[in-house]
Amino acid sequence: AQSVTQLDSHVSVSEGTPVLLRCNYSSSYSPSLFWYVQHPNKGLQLLLKYTSAATLVKGINGFEAEFKKSETSFHLTKPSAHMSDAAEYFCVVKPTNFGNEKLTFGTGTRLTIIP
Amino acid sequence: NAGVTQTPKFRILKIGQSMTLQCTQDMNHNYMYWYRQDPGMGLKLIYYSVGAGITDKGEVPNGYNVSRSTTEDFPLRLELAAPSQTSVYFCASTRTDTNEKLFFGSGTQLSVL
Repeated sequence: AQSVTQLDSHVSVSEGTPVLLRCNYSSSYSPSLFWYVQHPNKGLQLLLKYTSAATLVKGINGFEAEFKKSETSFHLTKPSAHMSDAAEYFCVVKPTNFGNEKLTFGTGTRLTIIP
Repeated sequence: NAGVTQTPKFRILKIGQSMTLQCTQDMNHNYMYWYRQDPGMGLKLIYYSVGAGITDKGEVPNGYNVSRSTTEDFPLRLELAAPSQTSVYFCASTRTDTNEKLFFGSGTQLSVL
């Protein structure tokens, strides 16, 4: 069994300040973890993924996430928010080496950027 | 490349009507997926396909049907629309089955009234 919990449904930050979007997971297997971003009226786009290599993962647009097994967390961070970062962010978990039909999506965190 | 293309973008159905949501991809991906996204919820898998002629149920298949006659196309059929099927539907594809990113279409917003 597996699940993913995004701890905040909505996060607001000022432009130029750090972003932190929190994700906790549970999995009976060694997990692969992903962050996807969804801009308004668009499909989801992969930001970054962790698949049992380096625990600090760098993604597109300056985002990164750290896999912490002891805390079962995979939080998404960015040092300085930009207006274009306003979107919905989904944390996703899957047992490593299982098919994509086993993906479990979180409920999403809406990120608002204050000018 | 156009990527994953979904049509229509919006549709309103009456209860009991039927319709087909179209999905096509031009990346020669074998794996295709249909998801629904309800407000405040994560995406739920409806059906998926691992190649032409092969489909399988996901987490929430009731009320839907699919077919995969070609690598490019993966239509989703609603036979008797119900209000519970009001949702945003996303089609996605990927080249391999493990750990590669999914490419998503821009979605179909469906309302059943």
